[in-house]
Amino acid sequence: EPEVTQTPSHQVTQMGQEVILRCVPISNHLYFYWYRQILGQKVEFLVSFYNNEISEKSEIFDDQFSVERPDGSNFTLKIRSTKLEDSAMYFCASRGVGDQPQHFGDGTRLSIL
Amino acid sequence: DAKTTQPPSMDCAEGRAANLPCNHSTISGNEYVYWYRQIHSQGPQYIIHGLKNNETNEMASLIITEDRKSSTLILPHATLRDTAVYYCIVRYSLDTDKLIFGTGTRLQVFP
Repeated sequence: EPEVTQTPSHQVTQMGQEVILRCVPISNHLYFYWYRQILGQKVEFLVSFYNNEISEKSEIFDDQFSVERPDGSNFTLKIRSTKLEDSAMYFCASRGVGDQPQHFGDGTRLSIL
Repeated sequence: DAKTTQPPSMDCAEGRAANLPCNHSTISGNEYVYWYRQIHSQGPQYIIHGLKNNETNEMASLIITEDRKSSTLILPHATLRDTAVYYCIVRYSLDTDKLIFGTGTRLQVFP
């Protein structure tokens, strides 16, 4: 069964450094998402992306965050200057058309030191 | 905030059916109910979704009341591997397809 894959599984970065989290969505999906989950808290929406542009973003998704679909298969989340509070699990998701559900990857654990 | 209400925790004996309730009294006519689960800190796993008819797949069954204000996820023969947090999610509004996760129901399956 096709699945969403995320790399790396764990990323450790110094505060202030840039980090790029990578995702390969399911191949025929058109809608892409990033969510995050701080340890012990709820899963939170960050951004949705369709037709090469952001459809919606949350208050968390400020100017330090950006997303890109650099080719036909990858979908990336970049944090320009990481902060301690960016430490979390980051989940990528994708879905097909209509009422089809979002499918999630297993996440990248981002640890900011 | 999530548009759904779920009990914070439930227990179920292995091999028995687990019935997880969800209230969504403000659901609108064309909003679907989605169920996901999360095992430890893995990514949320899609289980099933429905609009108004009952649905069944290889993982579970979804029973939606006629007025659509509540639903029940049924795991017919729970196993220890079904221990997880289960989320019932209704699309937040017609203008968005983001998923708003609540705190879900923590299901503990015991031997």
